[in-house]
Amino acid sequence: AQSVTQLDSHVSVSEGTPVLLRCNYSSSYSPSLFWYVQHPNKGLQLLLKYTSAATLVKGINGFEAEFKKSETSFHLTKPSAHMSDAAEYFCVGGGGGYNKLIFGAGTRLAVHP
Amino acid sequence: GAGVSQSPSNKVTEKGKDVELRCDPISGHTALYWYRQSLGQGLEFLIYFQGNSAPDKSGLPSDRFSAERTGGSVSTLTIQRTQQEDSAVYLCASSVTSGGDPYEQYFGPGTRLTVT
Repeated sequence: AQSVTQLDSHVSVSEGTPVLLRCNYSSSYSPSLFWYVQHPNKGLQLLLKYTSAATLVKGINGFEAEFKKSETSFHLTKPSAHMSDAAEYFCVGGGGGYNKLIFGAGTRLAVHP
Repeated sequence: GAGVSQSPSNKVTEKGKDVELRCDPISGHTALYWYRQSLGQGLEFLIYFQGNSAPDKSGLPSDRFSAERTGGSVSTLTIQRTQQEDSAVYLCASSVTSGGDPYEQYFGPGTRLTVT
């Protein structure tokens, strides 16, 4: 991907409700796309990646993302939020040359009881 | 197996001093990357190593920044004459370059650098 845009800087949900974190990309070819999560004072952890084998990608901790070429989107969803999901989420594209990753600005997810 | 490790985890230094940050990648990963995460700038690429050579240094912000990698393994990022704007979390990542997806990068926990 040549650029990645996360549409929301902050998302707040109640525990047990669905999560939707939005990401759009631009690319002139089939992109490599990832979602990473960063918990407070922790490193980046790979949640899932799009490989072109399937448009619906399942990741860890119940997260999934759907690649929609017609909408140039790769939104991250989870049916039911858990308190432990509170973290910052990054939509990331490959294709910056020399395997460079291009990061979105991040979405901070807050989960309320 | 062991993941990417970085040291120190935290570093506080005075303005004008030099610092060295270390990264130990996953064994067998030939590609190594340095990124910087700072408030207002997000996550930005610094430098990429393939083996011991650095074909892409385009992200290094100034000539005060340099990096090397020896033995195709450990890498050191050096910042000379540190400035307050260098305060950030420095992240290291590694990946394979053949037999896998080079974009699937595994990150270390980072070094938080504070310049006072």
